[in-house]
Amino acid sequence: DVKVTQSSRYLVKRTGEKVFLECVQDMDHENMFWYRQDPGLGLRLIYFSYDVKMKEKGDIPEGYSVSREKKERFSLILESASTNQTSMYLCASSFASFFYEQYFGPGTRLTVT
Amino acid sequence: GESVGLHLPTLSVQEGDNSIINCAYSNSASDYFIWYKQESGKGPQFIIDIRSNMDKRQGQRVTVLLNKTVKHLSLQIAATQPGDSAVYFCAETTNDYKLSFGAGTTVTVRA
Repeated sequence: DVKVTQSSRYLVKRTGEKVFLECVQDMDHENMFWYRQDPGLGLRLIYFSYDVKMKEKGDIPEGYSVSREKKERFSLILESASTNQTSMYLCASSFASFFYEQYFGPGTRLTVT
Repeated sequence: GESVGLHLPTLSVQEGDNSIINCAYSNSASDYFIWYKQESGKGPQFIIDIRSNMDKRQGQRVTVLLNKTVKHLSLQIAATQPGDSAVYFCAETTNDYKLSFGAGTTVTVRA
């Protein structure tokens, strides 16, 4: 079974803190994605990566950055957390040729106070 | 802007009945349409996809229908079971690695 794991299920941070969310996949997928999920808005793409050290902006990249130093690991960074970044963060991965068939992790519920 | 949306935010279904979940899209250039299922406390799970040059595709207990004339997508679940209770998302893509998700329909199965 494909496994996508995220470093934390729940996280509480203060405004202005730097936050790291880690994601690891074990299926040798080329693509990795970070989404945020908010009620009534569905999933919105923050960033994705199609190869090591490669990244592309999604629909809502402002306030976020990413890092992919190894194929299996994709990190989302909030440089200075703000309350409007309180959300559920979902990581996903996929093969290059079937990028729309994505495997998701369980999510990290981030609360910024 | 263009968006993918679902007709109804909630759907209540009797166990054993068929479920139909609808989705409207507005981007006529989309190449693929996908359905995901998200159970409580879990990430979304891929169910089925359909290419824009098809109008029907069947999987195990699920059928996706695509009507490009009216830009409508539906997911039919046969003989709905309690394990089908979840939020269902439709998504579309223009083959640029990006999926645009709808807001989701919450399906509740009544015993």
